[in-house]
Amino acid sequence: GAVVSQHPSWVICKSGTSVKIECRSLDFQATTMFWYRQFPKQSLMLMATSNEGSKATYEQGVEKDKFLINHASLTLSTLTVTSAHPEDSSFYICSARGRAGGDYEQYFGPGTRLTVT
Amino acid sequence: AQSVTQPDIHITVSEGASLELRCNYSYGATPYLFWYVQSPGQGLQLLLKYFSGDTLVQGIKGFEAEFKRSQSSFNLRKPSVHWSDAAEYFCAVGEDGNDMRFGAGTRLTVKP
Repeated sequence: GAVVSQHPSWVICKSGTSVKIECRSLDFQATTMFWYRQFPKQSLMLMATSNEGSKATYEQGVEKDKFLINHASLTLSTLTVTSAHPEDSSFYICSARGRAGGDYEQYFGPGTRLTVT
Repeated sequence: AQSVTQPDIHITVSEGASLELRCNYSYGATPYLFWYVQSPGQGLQLLLKYFSGDTLVQGIKGFEAEFKRSQSSFNLRKPSVHWSDAAEYFCAVGEDGNDMRFGAGTRLTVKP
């Protein structure tokens, strides 16, 4: 139980295009979803927190107009990287928190590797 | 503000040897503490967590961790390391499941 999926697992796009990454909770309802970014050999940095039906809360320094987050349902959140540039290349990981497994644990997706050329 | 420190960036141990990965946290109240493992190119897998109660926590894959409030530590241990344990290990502190902060990670190499 408590499985979180991400799609795609990897994506290559050209500079200036937009890319959408999906995060799904497969067997539980995720009241809150989180988006993290991880640079090579570095730790995870929280980008934003989203609650279903509400606007996402972005961490300081994260451009909300560049990283659009939509948490339209209790099982799906999307992260759209708009007008992507090479510096946006990174590993993006989502997590979900809900009723499965208790209230204080986040379940992580497998991550999406984004490469912008 | 809460923070997590993993003092060791890289640790190498021989297969079969014991392991201890250090984690120190800074937090005003009783924290929720986690250890995750990440294999290259993969997401995070939860090894164990501490919310309250017994300060010695047992996790998966033979790992355990001990919460020591006086030392603000939550060190991860394993009595005998296997080659498959080679990975990146992250300590994290969170509040009520939100606002989780991760340490910088410790890369574990296992020598044959």
